[in-house]
Amino acid sequence: DIQMTQSPSSVSASVGDRVTITCRASQGISSWLAWYQQKPGKAPKLLIYAASSLQSGVPSRFSGSGSGTDFTLTISSLQPEDFATYYCQQANSFPRTFGGGTKVEIK
Amino acid sequence: EVQLVESGGGLVQPGGSLRLSCAASGFTFSSYEMNWVRQAPGKGLEWVSYISSSGSTIYYADSVKGRFTISRDNAKNSLYLQMNSLRAEDTAVYYCARDRMVRGVFEPGADYWGQGTLVTVSS
Repeated sequence: DIQMTQSPSSVSASVGDRVTITCRASQGISSWLAWYQQKPGKAPKLLIYAASSLQSGVPSRFSGSGSGTDFTLTISSLQPEDFATYYCQQANSFPRTFGGGTKVEIK
Repeated sequence: EVQLVESGGGLVQPGGSLRLSCAASGFTFSSYEMNWVRQAPGKGLEWVSYISSSGSTIYYADSVKGRFTISRDNAKNSLYLQMNSLRAEDTAVYYCARDRMVRGVFEPGADYWGQGTLVTVSS
């Protein structure tokens, strides 16, 4: 199985900050990666698909990059509604494993 | 409007069974691959199972293999998860999620999720 390791597990940031979250796969997955945002009590929301493509309706301050084993989700200017937990998920092979999550908290 | 609505969750004793349903609307259900994903209280997301659009290809997480069965009825626009031999560690919110597909081709990501249904396994 492919293991997905996210870092950091949590980050404290202020409105307007640039935030970067990293996801590393235990083996190469090309661009078969998605990023999700989840708020408490809500279902996950797709932000980025195929490693770097912005899902329709998602603000352009979110961006994804990487291929192979190393991936990054960047929020260019953190907004109040962005405080949430973020997950990466590989879709290269089954089981489609998720990273452990990164909680973005208010500083 | 795309909608996925799960139902069937509840309290069940260890060793018991439960069948979850996911009613789909607002899109051509038979054209989409579907998944079940779960989240234990206070924990992260765990992918559980996948089924192809026709139902001919199925995968499971090792943690549920042999105990859970995914199925679909394209005529009824519905996805199911039959859960047998339930354990305390199966306690979670269960989500159904639609694979993102463009012109029949999967693009890595699940673009629509239901609101989730809570399954509690306890005596």
